Amino acid sequence: GAVVSQHPSRVICKSGTSVKIECRSLDFQATTMFWYRQFPKQSLMLMATSNEGSKATYEQGVEKDKFLINHASLTLSTLTVTSAHPEDSSFYICSAGADSGGVYNEQFFGPGTRLTVL
Amino acid sequence: SQQGEEDPQALSIQEGENATMNCSYKTSINNLQWYRQNSGRGLVHLILIRSNEREKHSGRLRVTLDTSKKSSSLLITASRAADTASYFCATDLSGAGSYQLTFGKGTKLSVIP
Repeated sequence: GAVVSQHPSRVICKSGTSVKIECRSLDFQATTMFWYRQFPKQSLMLMATSNEGSKATYEQGVEKDKFLINHASLTLSTLTVTSAHPEDSSFYICSAGADSGGVYNEQFFGPGTRLTVL
Repeated sequence: SQQGEEDPQALSIQEGENATMNCSYKTSINNLQWYRQNSGRGLVHLILIRSNEREKHSGRLRVTLDTSKKSSSLLITASRAADTASYFCATDLSGAGSYQLTFGKGTKLSVIP
């Protein structure tokens, strides 16, 4: 299957700093990428949907000014957690889907990024 | 709110036994998918069942879908210790092209050697 990578896999930062997480589709072009957040022992919660070349669509309750998403190319989307606080500590997972003209395609998930804010 | 609700939340079985996990959802779906997640890791796609399908098999996995009851089940036969993980169902509510998934809360499966 297609491969999606995330970088970094783990990051520890101080409160108030910004952290950028990259999500790359390695062997296919992803017109749509999704960002999820997962708290310990909980499910994945969709944060936002990003389409290449346009603004991301954020889910209700997700602050777009805090979680900046950029999908500048068909293989790269970035999530920047700005002015991170301890409550932002979580496991962030991206996924990528490919547009095949209306036929369903599987979402391919990255391995996740563990963010710890001290 | 969560579209998919799995039960049980946790399941502990002996190696060799079968494990059954259930998922219920509330609205019409395009398809339903099951994923596996090892602790602290990303998701692994297991199987997808479309709304017009009733049963699907993949190796030791069997998935059923009952759209009238808005429920699905995942059966893992002859479980192995390596099957220990959390299992999530995810529903695709949209038509083709959107791919947005809504995840359930998951079932944590422990297979005891």
